[in-house]
Amino acid sequence: GENVEQHPSTLSVQEGDSAVIKCTYSDSASNYFPWYKQELGKRPQLIIDIRSNVGEKKDQRIAVTLNKTAKHFSLHITETQPEDSAVYFCAPKTSYDKVIFGPGTSLSVIP
Amino acid sequence: SAVISQKPSRDICQRGTSLTIQCQVDSQVTMMFWYRQQPGQSLTLIATANQGSEATYESGFVIDKFPISRPNLTFSTLTVSNMSPEDSSIYLCSATQGAIQYFGAGTRLSVL
Repeated sequence: GENVEQHPSTLSVQEGDSAVIKCTYSDSASNYFPWYKQELGKRPQLIIDIRSNVGEKKDQRIAVTLNKTAKHFSLHITETQPEDSAVYFCAPKTSYDKVIFGPGTSLSVIP
Repeated sequence: SAVISQKPSRDICQRGTSLTIQCQVDSQVTMMFWYRQQPGQSLTLIATANQGSEATYESGFVIDKFPISRPNLTFSTLTVSNMSPEDSSIYLCSATQGAIQYFGAGTRLSVL
C-alpha cells in the first residue's frame, strides 16, 4: 500500500530560526501535496499545498517545495514564532483520491 | 471553504454499547471521510463515506464494527459498535471541497 514518511519526527528551533520538514511518499501517481498544522486539542488545518506541475510555492513565511522525481516534498518555515509550535502532517493525495497522513512532526519554537 | 459540525464533542461509554457520531457539512461535498486519531499519533483513515452506496473501508476496519451512513451530500454518521476500551480515541469527520480537506472538531470517546 501507500507509504508516507516524515523527517524529523520532532524538531526544536529557536525563535527566528528556520524549520524544514521533509515528507517522502511512495505513490508516483500522487498529484496533490498539502501540509496540515494541528495545534494541541484542535483539528488539522491546511497551511499550504502544491500541485504536481509546480516546483515551489510560497505564502509569507511558509513555503513548500516538491521533487516529483525523488518523491518528496518539504515544508519550510522562516522566522519561526512561538505560535508555529504544533504538529505538522503531510498528506499526499494518492491516485485513488485517498489521502494518507504522514506520522507527523512535532515542532517546538523556543522563545 | 466548508464548515463541518460534528457531534457529540465527547462521550464516555460503557463497553459493549454503541455510539453514533454525526457529521454535518454546510455545503454539498463529494467526498467525506472518517479518521481515528490516538493521542500523540497521526490520523488513520477508517473509511470513505460514499453517497448512495456502501462505504469503502481501509484495511483493519470492518463494516460490522464501524457502520457508516451517508444519506446525502452534506451528512454522514459513523457508529462505533460493541465498544471496548481499545476504541477510546478521537474520531474525526472530514470532507473535501476541490482538493482541500476540511475537518470537524472531533469526537473524544472514552470507553470504560
